[in-house]
Amino acid sequence: DARVTQTPRHKVTEMGQEVTMRCQPILGHNTVFWYRQTMMQGLELLAYFRNRAPLDDSGMPKDRFSAEMPDATLATLKIQPSEPRDSAVYFCASGLPGQGESYEQYFGPGTRLTVT
Amino acid sequence: AQSVTQLDSHVSVSEGTPVLLRCNYSSSYSPSLFWYVQHPNKGLQLLLKYTSAATLVKGINGFEAEFKKSETSFHLTKPSAHMSDAAEYFCVVSEGSSYKLIFGSGTRLLVRP
Repeated sequence: DARVTQTPRHKVTEMGQEVTMRCQPILGHNTVFWYRQTMMQGLELLAYFRNRAPLDDSGMPKDRFSAEMPDATLATLKIQPSEPRDSAVYFCASGLPGQGESYEQYFGPGTRLTVT
Repeated sequence: AQSVTQLDSHVSVSEGTPVLLRCNYSSSYSPSLFWYVQHPNKGLQLLLKYTSAATLVKGINGFEAEFKKSETSFHLTKPSAHMSDAAEYFCVVSEGSSYKLIFGSGTRLLVRP
């Protein structure tokens, strides 16, 4: 069955290094979301793309985070430079909103990032 | 503004007994409501959704939830718990068809043998 895939599943890096996380949305879905999950903050929306265009990145720290969709099958979230406080699980989700319907989002398995 | 309150951070039940996970919401407009489940080291999976149709919503794995506007509640229930139900459950609200999902803090369900 169709699933959102994310790579890598786990990443350990040192402070100051660049981190790139990748997401492949479900084929045909035109919306992509990036979330961050931590014990303290729970699930936070970082960015939202529709038809590959960023429509909302208000939840993302602008100085070090960037999100892109080079094509319809790939979304990337980059952190440069990384800091220990960025340690979290990062989820990608995709969806296909219907007219007047609720917004179902399908989540990937996440990338667990540890910055030392 | 929208918000979601999950009233219990942990719920423990015995296998075969009923499950009740409580959720209250606040929304200025007609809300869409969801329950998601997250098993350890996994992503979130949609259990069920309410979108202003039937107030009793049936989901996967025997779960259901009832939308009660007068009580602003959307509690999740299951008649008989299974060991595989042990996971974290998130109640989620969005306004109408908005893309923004507001997540509750989660309820961890423990199922005792």
